[in-house]
Formats: sequence, structure tokens, C-alpha cells
Amino acid sequence: QKEVEQNSGPLSVPEGAIASLNCTYSDRGSQSFFWYRQYSGKSPELIMFIYSNGDKEDGRFTAQLNKASQYVSLLIRDSQPSDSATYLCAVNGGGGTASKLTFGTGTRLQVTL
Amino acid sequence: EPEVTQTPSHQVTQMGQEVILRCVPISNHLYFYWYRQILGQKVEFLVSFYNNEISEKSEIFDDQFSVERPDGSNFTLKIRSTKLEDSAMYFCASRGGGSNQPQHFGDGTRLSIL
Repeated sequence: QKEVEQNSGPLSVPEGAIASLNCTYSDRGSQSFFWYRQYSGKSPELIMFIYSNGDKEDGRFTAQLNKASQYVSLLIRDSQPSDSATYLCAVNGGGGTASKLTFGTGTRLQVTL
Repeated sequence: EPEVTQTPSHQVTQMGQEVILRCVPISNHLYFYWYRQILGQKVEFLVSFYNNEISEKSEIFDDQFSVERPDGSNFTLKIRSTKLEDSAMYFCASRGGGSNQPQHFGDGTRLSIL
């Protein structure tokens, strides 16, 4: 059973601080990794994706991947109240051309004023 | 920006009835997916579809479920003889290009079985 693990939170950070969200995965054959943001009652919205070891930055967001440790993280700099949401880590197993995403349970982030 | 559209946004159905959930994927995408999310739980994969056939299906996707691409734009999920436990948000997603590319999700259909 391929698993994606996240701390469910809530993770509470003050406005302007850095939020660090973590994810581990069990399948060493996983090839690409995605962070989605989900507001309550809404659909997953793509934030970032990464498939090479190291860091990838996009505005206030940085994704970090360490395949040896089977670990993915998302850093949100200068956190804003509008960043308050559940962040879903999703992993593509690479099993076939139409390979599915396996999701973690998500980490709920609360940005406080 | 192109987006995945789903209809209806909310479907209420009596137990035992059939429902069809509809999706229009992004126009140049080739890979299509259905996921579901039961309230308070994680997003779960149901089925993937490519080249007019199912590529992979989960153990959830049993004989009660079927998918179809009836024309060049629509992608549908049919649930026959619905059960109370089918109540969930159902998300359609599509992807273009290689397997490293992201899947883009529609706004979902909230299915309520009474």
C-alpha cells in the first residue's frame, strides 16, 4: 500500500512568518510531487510541483525534495491570512502513462493576525 | 486560463437511483481522472482514462461505476444503484503532456444520497 503521510495540524503561524509543511511517502518509485491548496468545501488548487532533488521556488513558495529520505516540503514565506487552508501533498507513482495521484490527508494551516 | 468544468455542482439523489456526473476537461489534455473525497477524509483516486479506455482503476471503482467519453469534450462518471456511502465530493481532473505534469482539478460535484 503506497502511503503519503502528513501531519494533520493545525499548524498555526503568525502573519509574516514562514510556514513549513512536510510530507513523507513510502513508494521509492515515485517520480513527481505536488502541493495543492484546498479551502474548505472547495477543490484542490495546484500550488507547486517538483520532480528533481533540491529546491524549486515560485514567488513566496518553495518546494523541497529529498528522494533519498522520501521527503517533500513546502515553505510559505511572508504568510498571509489568505494562506489559511489545508495543504495537500500528492505523489505520482509513475506507474504508467496515466498514473494516478496518491494524496496525504493534508495539513491545516492557520495564519494568525 | 483554461479550466476543468464540472456539472452539476450539487446533486441530491435517492438511494438506489443512478447518477451521471459530467466533466469537460481542458481542451488539449489527453489524460482524465475521477477522484472522490468523503467529508473529512483524504482525496481518493477512482479511475484514470486515456485513449478512450480505462488505464487504471482503484478497488473503490467496482461494477457500480463506469466512465465514458461520449464525444470529444465530455467525460462522465456514472454511478448505478447509489448507496448512502457514495455521498462525497467527486472531482474530475485532467492532464496534458508527460507524467510529471500536474493534474488540474474541476470545482467538484457534491453528491448527496438520501
